[in-house]
Amino acid sequence: DVKVTQSSRYLVKRTGEKVFLECVQDMDHENMFWYRQDPGLGLRLIYFSYDVKMKEKGDIPEGYSVSREKKERFSLILESASTNQTSMYLCASSAGTSGTQETQYFGPGTRLLVL
Amino acid sequence: AQSVSQHNHHVILSEAASLELGCNYSYGGTVNLFWYVQYPGQHLQLLLKYFSGDPLVKGIKGFEAEFIKSKFSFNLRKPSVQWSDTAEYFCAVNALSNYQLIWGAGTKLIIKP
Repeated sequence: DVKVTQSSRYLVKRTGEKVFLECVQDMDHENMFWYRQDPGLGLRLIYFSYDVKMKEKGDIPEGYSVSREKKERFSLILESASTNQTSMYLCASSAGTSGTQETQYFGPGTRLLVL
Repeated sequence: AQSVSQHNHHVILSEAASLELGCNYSYGGTVNLFWYVQYPGQHLQLLLKYFSGDPLVKGIKGFEAEFIKSKFSFNLRKPSVQWSDTAEYFCAVNALSNYQLIWGAGTKLIIKP
């Protein structure tokens, strides 16, 4: 089974802090994704990566950056956390071999509260 | 811009009732269609998907969905729900021109025992 793990289930940070969210997958997947999930809005893509050191902006990249130095690890960085970044953050991965038919596999999520 | 619409944000049913959750999308070209489910306290996971062939797709736990191209719809159905189907259900669409999934807002399904 594919396993996607996220470094924290819950985080509380203060406005202005730099926040790192880590995601690791164990299936040698090419693609990795960061979403935020908010009630009534579904999932919105922040960034995705289709290869090591490669990244693409999603729908809501403002205030976020990402890093993918190793294939299995994809980090989301909030450069200066703000209260409107309080949300559930989901990481996902997909194999990268079947194009747009692929299943995405999700981690458990990190619930971030910015005070 | 592409969008996905799920008609109901909350659905409450009794056990053994039939279920249909609506999903419509706005993209006019060829698409791949997905339903994901998030059970309480669990990861989001794939329920079923459609990319070609028979427009009636069967998934896990007795769920099925029908792709109706003329209506831009991909509704999820189950003939008889169980208490364990309580979850949030998300419809997602992937146009064949990119990797990005466009997600609906989700439907929270509550099954009363």
